[in-house]
Amino acid sequence: DIVMTQSPDSLAVSLGERATIHCKSSQSVLYSSNNKNFLAWYQQKPGQPPKLLIYWASTRESGVPDRFSGSGSGRDFILTISSLQVEDVAVYYCQQYYSSPQTFGQGTKLEIK
Amino acid sequence: QVQLVQSGGEVKKPGASVKVSCKASGYTFTNYAINWVRQAPGQGLEWMGWISAYKGDTHYAQNLQGRVTMTTDTSTSTAYMELRSLTSDDTAVYYCARDGGYCGSSSCPSSFYYMDVWGEGTTVTVSS
Repeated sequence: DIVMTQSPDSLAVSLGERATIHCKSSQSVLYSSNNKNFLAWYQQKPGQPPKLLIYWASTRESGVPDRFSGSGSGRDFILTISSLQVEDVAVYYCQQYYSSPQTFGQGTKLEIK
Repeated sequence: QVQLVQSGGEVKKPGASVKVSCKASGYTFTNYAINWVRQAPGQGLEWMGWISAYKGDTHYAQNLQGRVTMTTDTSTSTAYMELRSLTSDDTAVYYCARDGGYCGSSSCPSSFYYMDVWGEGTTVTVSS
């Protein structure tokens, strides 16, 4: 199984400041035949289902604000929120869909400082 | 709009079974696969498995093999997840989520895709 490890487990950032969440996979999730990273990021607010933010490591889902961006390749990935807003308080998960079983990181709780 | 609507919460005794439904609307059901993901109280997300609504083939998480069955009813655009021999460890919110890879009559993805639409979740409580 591919193990996904996020850091940090929790993060407090001031409003308007940058938030950065890291995700590392135990093996590469880059599919060489199409050069795509099978890595997604989700946002989950209390009492709600997860919401897709980023897929193929860096493609923003329709309707997601452009302050959210994804980067990285192979085994190391980053989710960046360029200017934190109140509504961004949530738990963020990375997920690999490269192989079965699909696996998620343990989650990063983002709060306002 | 594209939507997945799940069945209501359930309370079950240890050893019982539960069957959760997920009704799709706003898109052609057979064009996308469905994942099932669960989340124990205060915990992270656990992928349970995947079913193609087009072909019916499945992938299950190894730790649930033999206890879980995923099915679809294309006549009602509904996916089902049945979990048997329940224990307290199965207490969780169960989500269905659409696999974002389009599967048409001429071709289907040969890999998984991201989960682009999620149901609201179904709480399953296992307690004696």
